[in-house]
This record gives sequence, C-alpha cells and structure tokens, in this order.
Amino acid sequence: EVQLVESGGGLVQPGRSLKLSCAASGFTFSNYGMHWIRQAPTKGLEWVASISPSGGSTYYRDSVKGRFTISRDNAKSTLYLQMDSLRSEDTATYYCATGAYFDYWGQGVMVTVSS
Amino acid sequence: DIQMTQSPASLSASLGETISIECRASEDIYSNLAWYQQKSGKSPQLLIYAANRLQDGVPSRFSGSGSGTQYSLKISGMQPEDEGDYFCLQGSKFPYTFGAGTKLELK
Repeated sequence: EVQLVESGGGLVQPGRSLKLSCAASGFTFSNYGMHWIRQAPTKGLEWVASISPSGGSTYYRDSVKGRFTISRDNAKSTLYLQMDSLRSEDTATYYCATGAYFDYWGQGVMVTVSS
Repeated sequence: DIQMTQSPASLSASLGETISIECRASEDIYSNLAWYQQKSGKSPQLLIYAANRLQDGVPSRFSGSGSGTQYSLKISGMQPEDEGDYFCLQGSKFPYTFGAGTKLELK
C-alpha cells in the first residue's frame, strides 16, 4: 500500500525558514517523480514544485522560485521542501504526491506564517 | 501559464442523478487532464487521469471525456458518498494548474 507521510509543519514568523519532509513507502520511490501541492485555508489547490526520479530536474511555480527548494533522498525514500523567506501568503496545508498525475497524496501538513 | 476554467462552482444533485463538471483550458493540453475528489478535511484522491482513464478502485459511475481544451467529468447516478469538492488539473505544461473547484452536494 502506498503511503506518504508529511512532517515538519508548524507556526513560523515571516522571513523565517521551515523544512518539510515526506516519508514514502509501499512503492519504489526512486522510480517516480514527486511533487508538493498546497492548499490555503478554504481555497483551491496550487502546485508548488516537482522533482524527477533521480532528482536531477526540478520545477517550481514562480511565486516560490528562489525561496523554496525541493529535494529527495532516494536511499531514505524521503522527499523534502526547504522553505526560506516565508511569507504570509505561503500559509497553507502542504501535500506531497507521487506519480505523473499525482496518483497518491499524503495527509498534508499545515504551515502557518504569522508574526 | 495555462488557465483552467472550471464550472459550475457548485452543484446540488439528487440521489441517482447524472451530473457533469466541465474544465476548459486556455490552450490545448493534449488530454493531460486529471480529475480529483476531495472530501472535507481529507486529501484529494485521483479519479480520472489522461482525460478518460479510470484510476484503479474508482467506481465505474465516474467517467471522463474531452480533448484539446474542453474536458468533462460525469457521475452517472449520484451517491451520498460522492459529496465533496472536485478539481481538474492540467499536467501538460509547467506550472501545472488546477481548476478552481466544484462543490457537489446531495439535494
């Protein structure tokens, strides 16, 4: 059974950093692209970043480019999202997902950026 | 960026009714379109991928169709467990973009 478990969320002040993790199990992690998607409270879904199976290619939405870094450790079957220079508009539930069509999602982790 | 225009924003359906939700892309997305269901407080679940392919385990009353810029999700026979929010996603070009969502309720 595919499982994705996010961790690392919380309350952080504007301008500070946070690192999210997504522990994967139930599939061969190193064979699949991985993604981060977020959802602000009572809002729709917004794609944030993607990474290729090897980690050699990464993609970001413009609003996080230069502030967020997606990475992966295939030996640990874990996906990461390093979030720097956080802004209030980054407040959201962050989901990791796998597969070309976001086939499977984690339960999500809440990130609140507020002073 | 490719804009995904989803309609309607909300829908109320009776038990057994057939409903459709539409997504229109601002350019051709070559059937790189997926549909998701999200129930309250839960993470989204993939229903349809590649415009018309049913994800494993999804009831056959769900179906997808379309090509080019116009796509639709059909539920043939509304069930109580189908209540929730529905989103489309274009996976043709980065940045991937979602439709704004459709809230489906049982009348």
